[in-house]
Amino acid sequence: SYELTQPPSVSVSPGQTASITCSGDKLGDKYAYWYQQRPGQSPVLVIYQDNQRPSGIPERFSGSNSGNTASLTISGTEATDEADYYCQAWDSGTYVFGPGTKVTVL
Amino acid sequence: EVQLLESGGGLVQPGGSLRLACAASGFTFSSYAMNWVRQAPGKGLEWVATISASGATRYNADSVKGRVTISRDNTKNTVHLHMNSLRAEDTALYYCAKDHAEGGGSSLDFWGQGTLVTVSS
Repeated sequence: SYELTQPPSVSVSPGQTASITCSGDKLGDKYAYWYQQRPGQSPVLVIYQDNQRPSGIPERFSGSNSGNTASLTISGTEATDEADYYCQAWDSGTYVFGPGTKVTVL
Repeated sequence: EVQLLESGGGLVQPGGSLRLACAASGFTFSSYAMNWVRQAPGKGLEWVATISASGATRYNADSVKGRVTISRDNTKNTVHLHMNSLRAEDTALYYCAKDHAEGGGSSLDFWGQGTLVTVSS
């Protein structure tokens, strides 16, 4: 079965850039999606089709996907960005989620 | 405004059954696939099942195959998850999520607040 891997945690200072990676076999041949889940809340889609932002998602969120790695970048990180972030892909009739990365804004 | 309201969760004994419901509003329900995703306490997201917009195509995760059935009623804008032979490891918050595509396989662009299922004796 297809698997995605993410680093367990990323720390960033306010105003700096946070980057989260998501790795999977030939992930670049699929679309990557990213979800933000703040503590006690439901997930929110922040990036779809590798690099598209849904309406209402701040411009500081961006994404890329090539080779075996997709990335979510948060530029000018704010305290409100502290959350768990999950990548997701679709493979052979299955939605696959990564294990999640906890972003801490120090 | 898209709204997804889950219900039907609760405490059930191992081996028991449960039927979850999701009432949708704010979009053309019959045009989009619908999904169930669960999250065990303190754990990550796990996809459970998907049903296409027409209901003709269904996908299940291997972890629940043979034990869950997803269904939908496009006249009532509802999607259900029928679960049986429940195990302790099925304990989780179950989210209903709207797909961005008619057939599924796209992003999950709106999520409900979830309904908690606890499997315990």
